[in-house]
Amino acid sequence: DSGVTQTPKHLITATGQRVTLRCSPRSGDLSVYWYQQSLDQGLQFLIQYYNGEERAKGNILERFSAQQFPDLHSELNLSSLELGDSALYFCASSGGQGVSGANVLTFGAGSRLTVL
Amino acid sequence: LAKTTQPISMDSYEGQEVNITCSHNNIATNDYITWYQQFPSQGPRFIIQGYKTKVTNEVASLFIPADRKSSTLSLPRVSLSDTAVYYCLVGGPNFGNEKLTFGTGTRLTIIP
Repeated sequence: DSGVTQTPKHLITATGQRVTLRCSPRSGDLSVYWYQQSLDQGLQFLIQYYNGEERAKGNILERFSAQQFPDLHSELNLSSLELGDSALYFCASSGGQGVSGANVLTFGAGSRLTVL
Repeated sequence: LAKTTQPISMDSYEGQEVNITCSHNNIATNDYITWYQQFPSQGPRFIIQGYKTKVTNEVASLFIPADRKSSTLSLPRVSLSDTAVYYCLVGGPNFGNEKLTFGTGTRLTIIP
């Protein structure tokens, strides 16, 4: 158990629908990152939040949005789903208070989204 | 952002030492180099991190030359369980605002 919790583990839905993926970061970590990994592809950076604020944005589609709440958990909202959105979505956390040095990401187990 | 380049795939026999090199020509002064391991359908897992010279932990060593434009992950005496995808990631200090973008990774296959 990495300490990063993602729910749901699996999700099957239809095209055009909307889903919400949830992430609870490791205790003490202030940053949350979201990544998308399609089948046999690399990790695509979507977005980063730090202590509730958006800090960096990658190639995130306009149909996708995210936020980080005061308790530091984060949600990734995917709407108007298309077949190509089927992928593993990973959340990672880093940056506990008082921690120096470089970002070390701790990943969750991922949420597997299947769009039919 | 420092872009990374790694070999797409590598094969090695059990018991051998495996070295995977990552190129990061435009690494910034405050960037660190971090390596992750990913098994199928699992999140990547931290292996080792360094800034310069050599770092060693219980599972791997990381060699970084003086110019820091590349780094080499060394896995001693690999076993079948080391079959995975290995990513190098270059990024700045904690609390940074940056797109921590992974490269394509190196798919390592260990042959019995």
